Amino acid sequence: EAGVVQSPRYKIIEKKQPVAFWCNPISGHNTLYWYLQNLGQGPELLIRYENEEAVDDSQLPKDRFSAERLKGVDSTLKIQPAELGDSAVYLCASSPRSIAGGASNEQFFGPGTRLTVL
Amino acid sequence: AQSVTQLDSQVPVFEEAPVELRCNYSSSVSVYLFWYVQYPNQGLQLLLKYLSGSTLVKGINGFEAEFNKSQTSFHLRKPSVHISDTAEYFCAVSEGNTPLVFGKGTRLSVIA
Repeated sequence: EAGVVQSPRYKIIEKKQPVAFWCNPISGHNTLYWYLQNLGQGPELLIRYENEEAVDDSQLPKDRFSAERLKGVDSTLKIQPAELGDSAVYLCASSPRSIAGGASNEQFFGPGTRLTVL
Repeated sequence: AQSVTQLDSQVPVFEEAPVELRCNYSSSVSVYLFWYVQYPNQGLQLLLKYLSGSTLVKGINGFEAEFNKSQTSFHLRKPSVHISDTAEYFCAVSEGNTPLVFGKGTRLSVIA
């Protein structure tokens, strides 16, 4: 079974430029997460999707960050414009729906996109 | 609000020695607890999880953890570490159908 796929793996841009990250979750996983991981820190949730609906985006800086999950499968996270402080690893994760109907608590992570803003 | 504290940011240990990585959580309700491992330039991989039942949980790569509700802890242990265990370890907590909250991580360095 293929895992969570993210691209690109690495991205270097200059400040004020736009950037986009792509995530393909494990087939059949209804829930998709985007996390931000700063150097030496644990991941922090940016946004959570249940199918195509964003159910928790309270930590997403909406002035410059946006995300979408068209058709409830792939997702794209965008930053426009990027700032120096956005340099970090952006992780995508997905989880299946449990037998009881709620989202499973086990999340499967992709390898991440390491963003460097110069 | 839930939170996770990993008490040690770095843990050096000699090869074949035992190791314990400490994790304490804060939550007012029942929780689910996880340990993830992250190797350099890779995503997080689940080591083990506690959802319910036995408080001693066994995971992959010879790791185990014990859920202690009275002490709100979920410490990770391995009786004999290998060089290949060198990585960053993250403890995480979830309250039912909520996103994971991660600790800041513990860097385990195994010395030959």
